[in-house]
Amino acid sequence: GGIITQTPKFLIGQEGQKLTLKCQQNFNHDTMYWYRQDSGKGLRLIYYSITENDLQKGDLSEGYDASREKKSSFSLTVTSAQKNEMAVFLCASSINRNTEVFFGKGTRLTVV
Amino acid sequence: QQKVQQSPESLIVPEGGMASLNCTSSDRNVDYFWWYRQHSGKSPKMLMSIFSNGEKEEGRFTVHLNKASLHTSLHIRDSQPSDSALYLCAANTNAYKVIFGKGTHLHVLP
Repeated sequence: GGIITQTPKFLIGQEGQKLTLKCQQNFNHDTMYWYRQDSGKGLRLIYYSITENDLQKGDLSEGYDASREKKSSFSLTVTSAQKNEMAVFLCASSINRNTEVFFGKGTRLTVV
Repeated sequence: QQKVQQSPESLIVPEGGMASLNCTSSDRNVDYFWWYRQHSGKSPKMLMSIFSNGEKEEGRFTVHLNKASLHTSLHIRDSQPSDSALYLCAANTNAYKVIFGKGTHLHVLP
């Protein structure tokens, strides 16, 4: 088995601030994802990457940047935090588009 | 544009009852579906996957898939209070990504 580690677990930012969320996986998976989940709602895809140094935009990419410098790590940057961005950000990975997606425990973002 | 649509949004069933959840994709390139379960405060975990027409059963859980209509359903028999959770349907696309629906909140009343 493997594990996906997200840091930090909780992130408090100020409106307008640039914030970075980090994710590491030891599954040796090629594909990694960042999803956003608002309270009690479904998952919306922000960015994904199918291999090292690859980046693909999801449906919610505006206001975010991502970086995949290594196969095992995928980071997400909120370029300018907004008041309505209180959400949980979930990092995930899979071997490819046809296999199970595994999730980290999430980073809970609060903007004050 | 939401390419994976789930219904109902919320479902209440009595303990021991049958829960039926639905999911449809509007993307004709989808060929795999998954059902994930997310308990409150936890991360989603995969319950079942299906990619062939027909039915697949694992314990109390049964998944159906109709590839022509891109419709899948999850049925939980003998529902237990511990089944209360958010159920998420996911599908792959030809763009190498996996997308999720908005989920169905299942409440099983003791």
